[in-house]
Amino acid sequence: AQKITQTQPGMFVQEKEAVTLDCTYDTSDQSYGLFWYKQPSSGEMIFLIYQGSYDEQNATEGRYSLNFQKARKSANLVISASQLGDSAMYFCAMRLSNTGFQKLVFGTGTRLLVSP
Amino acid sequence: NAGVMQNPRHLVRRRGQEARLRCSPMKGHSHVYWYRQLPEEGLKFMVYLQKENIIDESGMPKERFSAEFPKEGPSILRIQQVVRGDSAAYFCASSPPSGPLHEKLFFGSGTQLSVL
Repeated sequence: AQKITQTQPGMFVQEKEAVTLDCTYDTSDQSYGLFWYKQPSSGEMIFLIYQGSYDEQNATEGRYSLNFQKARKSANLVISASQLGDSAMYFCAMRLSNTGFQKLVFGTGTRLLVSP
Repeated sequence: NAGVMQNPRHLVRRRGQEARLRCSPMKGHSHVYWYRQLPEEGLKFMVYLQKENIIDESGMPKERFSAEFPKEGPSILRIQQVVRGDSAAYFCASSPPSGPLHEKLFFGSGTQLSVL
């Protein structure tokens, strides 16, 4: 069964430092998609970054990059130059590839706190 | 370009009442998804709809829950005879039918349902 594991319930980082949020996944499919979403205290889900299993390059979106290691089945999110506004819950998710649509499985999330 | 719109933002119901949650997808998006987030958990898939069709409802409880996406108007998630365990944040998401954004889900701000 497909599963996402986020082993860090909480992470602390100082402003302007980089931080890595861990995500491992389990699937037997060859084709899948991996996502990271941010959920601030206001509750909305904000799309950050997407990585397809066949993409050779690691995805990057501004200060966000996804460290995709296929053999290890990991898809860690790296936030460079942390800002106070980055304090939020972060969810890793995987698209179930055999469905052909956006049926995502989410991890339990990591709460990031950025301190001044 | 408005995002995914959900209303109401907060909904309070007493046990046994009905809850109706509305979702208007982003312009040009014809695929709608509903996800539920219980406290301190990640999101869980409920149902996937296209206009006038339910494609996958494997995550919906068998009783009391229903969803529709009519030809005109918003998608509706309906919960009949609510119980305290239905208290959660309900998120709607949409994606276009094709194109480079087809693989990305865009979420609304969610409806927080509280059952007294």
